[in-house]
Amino acid sequence: NAGVTQTPKFQVLKTGQSMTLQCAQDMNHEYMSWYRQDPGMGLRLIHYSVGAGITDQGEVPNGYNVSRSTTEDFPLRLLSAAPSQTSVYFCASSGRFGYTFGSGTRLTVV
Amino acid sequence: AQSVTQLDSQVPVFEEAPVELRCNYSSSVSVYLFWYVQYPNQGLQLLLKYLSGSTLVKGINGFEAEFNKSQTSFHLRKPSVHISDTAEYFCAVNAGGTSYGKLTFGQGTILTVHP
Repeated sequence: NAGVTQTPKFQVLKTGQSMTLQCAQDMNHEYMSWYRQDPGMGLRLIHYSVGAGITDQGEVPNGYNVSRSTTEDFPLRLLSAAPSQTSVYFCASSGRFGYTFGSGTRLTVV
Repeated sequence: AQSVTQLDSQVPVFEEAPVELRCNYSSSVSVYLFWYVQYPNQGLQLLLKYLSGSTLVKGINGFEAEFNKSQTSFHLRKPSVHISDTAEYFCAVNAGGTSYGKLTFGQGTILTVHP
């Protein structure tokens, strides 16, 4: 089925470790974005991309890096994990208005 | 910049009763508005969206919302809820233009339907 695929679904990291959350879409959407979801705060935008090679910061970018070398992939890198990055992460892709979300990655930093 | 405020963090209601989940937004430009639902331990599912045209928008599962530009609101309603509607609901806004790829979400409203 067409959609947004996120891996892994669950991850536990130790403080200071780095990792990459993977996101891939097969709908040829130009826009992709990463959000984190924390209780009582809704979803907050981390980074987004308007096309291959073009990225920009969202509301909470500190501690995260992104790149977009292809239309399909938009990985999110945690450079040095901190307990404050414990959250559920969602990737989304869209045309202008048809947003499709991945199933999420639950990340715990201990 | 745009922002979204969901006025109720939790809404308890009895089965078959009507419900309204309130959403206000602020933006300096025209906006596009969305409601999403998230069932426990799942991702986000689109309920409905307002892009233009009729201010009354009908969505899935019997939900509807009304766009009110003068009051900058986009409240979600359902005339008769079911136990299966228990979930968290998010209002979101997109400002279009150079912001097409970005959604700004409200804090969420947890709807709990009691038998």
